[in-house]
Amino acid sequence: AQSVTQPDIHITVSEGASLELRCNYSYGATPYLFWYVQSPGQGLQLLLKYFSGDTLVQGIKGFEAEFKRSQSSFNLRKPSVHWSDAAEYFCALNAGNNRKLIWGLGTSLAVNP
Amino acid sequence: DARVTQTPRHKVTEMGQEVTMRCQPILGHNTVFWYRQTMMQGLELLAYFRNRAPLDDSGMPKDRFSAEMPDATLATLKIQPSEPRDSAVYFCASGSERGWETQYFGPGTRLLVL
Repeated sequence: AQSVTQPDIHITVSEGASLELRCNYSYGATPYLFWYVQSPGQGLQLLLKYFSGDTLVQGIKGFEAEFKRSQSSFNLRKPSVHWSDAAEYFCALNAGNNRKLIWGLGTSLAVNP
Repeated sequence: DARVTQTPRHKVTEMGQEVTMRCQPILGHNTVFWYRQTMMQGLELLAYFRNRAPLDDSGMPKDRFSAEMPDATLATLKIQPSEPRDSAVYFCASGSERGWETQYFGPGTRLLVL
């Protein structure tokens, strides 16, 4: 069965520190992979997506993610976190056979000044 | 700046009342999704439409929930009768035919059923 796991429910980092949010997926082939961000009281916004090709993808707000087939992972990174990055981050996959996204439960990011 | 709009943004109602939530997808988008978000369950897909036709509503409680697209610019989600366990944030998202894999989310309707 297809699934997405975000092992960290909550992460706290200091402003200026680097960030890595983990995402693991279960799917028999290469899925389409996404990271979305949800700021407090807001809807979800697409940060970046991976379909094929270069395994390191760049997104908005200075985020990047790396697809690693051998580890079934798609981790999100940012070299230097800003206080405005405090939000909920969701990893999702699309298996390509329909238009539904399968979502992880999210990782809540807090940023200390 | 094209965006998905949802009304109302907040709704407080009493158990047993009908609730109607509305969504205006981005102009030209032909795929619409309804999600429910709770602390316990996270983000759940309730239903989705393509070209106004329902393709999957397996995530929706059939006895009390219904979703429709009267036209290409309006999607509705109704709950009748509402129950306290329906309290959640309901999101609508839309996508285009060519970029169907990317969903654009509205700001959500925060529903509280007393």
